[in-house]
Amino acid sequence: EPEVTQTPSHQVTQMGQEVILRCVPISNHLYFYWYRQILGQKVEFLVSFYNNEISEKSEIFDDQFSVERPDGSNFTLKIRSTKLEDSAMYFCASSAQRERDTQYFGPGTRLTVL
Amino acid sequence: AQKVTQAQTEISVVEKEDVTLDCVYETRDTTYYLFWYKQPPSGELVFLIRRNSFDEQNEISGRYSWNFQKSTSSFNFTITASQVVDSAVYFCALRSSQGAQKLVFGQGTRLTINP
Repeated sequence: EPEVTQTPSHQVTQMGQEVILRCVPISNHLYFYWYRQILGQKVEFLVSFYNNEISEKSEIFDDQFSVERPDGSNFTLKIRSTKLEDSAMYFCASSAQRERDTQYFGPGTRLTVL
Repeated sequence: AQKVTQAQTEISVVEKEDVTLDCVYETRDTTYYLFWYKQPPSGELVFLIRRNSFDEQNEISGRYSWNFQKSTSSFNFTITASQVVDSAVYFCALRSSQGAQKLVFGQGTRLTINP
């Protein structure tokens, strides 16, 4: 069964450093998303991406964040200058054209900012 | 604005008991979608069910059942004959059928099934 994959599973970085979180969505999916979950809290939407552009973003997704689909398979989230409060689990999700209502999530990347 | 409330922060039951997880939502949309996701201790989010707002038929899948009541804006989830493997955090989520694609999640209910 096809699934969303994410790398790395855990990333530790120093405050102020740039990080890139990588995702490989399900192959025939066209809609891509990033969410984050601060430890013990609910899952929060960051951004959605379709047809090579951002279709929606939340207030969390400020200028420090960017997304990119550099090739036909990867979808990345970049945080330019990490802050302590960026420590969270970051989930990538994707949905299909026909069933765009259901988002399938990857296993997440745990980001720890020291 | 859309909002999902899962008032039960934690539930603990003994194996084989039935347990119901509550979900209440708020939306001004006339059509929308409701979801349940499971987050086991390993951390991933596992899709369980999607419900369209125009389909109020309840659904059963094995030991899982869902009760959607539009009149009370609730979408409750029942596990029958619970098992230890059901232990997880369960999230209810809402998505508009128009425009915005984001899922709005509730706070989650941590379910512990004790042997």
